[in-house]
Amino acid sequence: GQNIDQPTEMTATEGAIVQINCTYQTSGFNGLFWYQQHAGEAPTFLSYNVLDGLEEKGRFSSFLSRSKGYSYLLLKELQMKDSASYLCAVKGVGYSTLTFGKGTMLLVSP
Amino acid sequence: EAQVTQNPRYLITVTGKKLTVTCSQNMNHEYMSWYRQDPGLGLRQIYYSMNVEVTDKGDVPEGYKVSRKEKRNFPLILESPSPNQTSLYFCASTDRGTALNSPLHFGNGTRLTVT
Repeated sequence: GQNIDQPTEMTATEGAIVQINCTYQTSGFNGLFWYQQHAGEAPTFLSYNVLDGLEEKGRFSSFLSRSKGYSYLLLKELQMKDSASYLCAVKGVGYSTLTFGKGTMLLVSP
Repeated sequence: EAQVTQNPRYLITVTGKKLTVTCSQNMNHEYMSWYRQDPGLGLRQIYYSMNVEVTDKGDVPEGYKVSRKEKRNFPLILESPSPNQTSLYFCASTDRGTALNSPLHFGNGTRLTVT
């Protein structure tokens, strides 16, 4: 099975940088996804990592270390609209096994 | 526009009254799935389907049924809803034929309240 850990809440200031961590224990690993979810809305895809290293996409970057079972999502130049929940999801073996963490609620203040 | 459409968006019902939440996708995706989301518990998978007439249980299937008679539709059925099924439900789909990094596309959610 999978076990995924993320902080419950984080706060940051507009314009700053924030790092949201995700650790996981898994019996099989086929990649890690990050999703953004605004309150009451559907999750939307942000990034996917399957190899070690950093993937950069504009203001958002995601890092993976498979040996450590660790990923982080880095958000730069924070904006108020980045206030949302950020979900880490690990893909196991087969299409059925995408397990979500409980999500990290990020609050960006002026 | 490529999308996953769920209906209804909001539903209030009473214990024991059968209901169906519909889900339809227009992206020709093979894989579809239902999740429920509860505070402090995150997204948990209820059922999934790898293709037409192929369905399987997720982590929390008790009290739910699904069917996949056509590729585009994947309804969620609650035969006898109970208050512990009050939750926010999401349908999602992805293209199984693409590489493993295909992200899920989510519907807008159905907020169900069972009294």
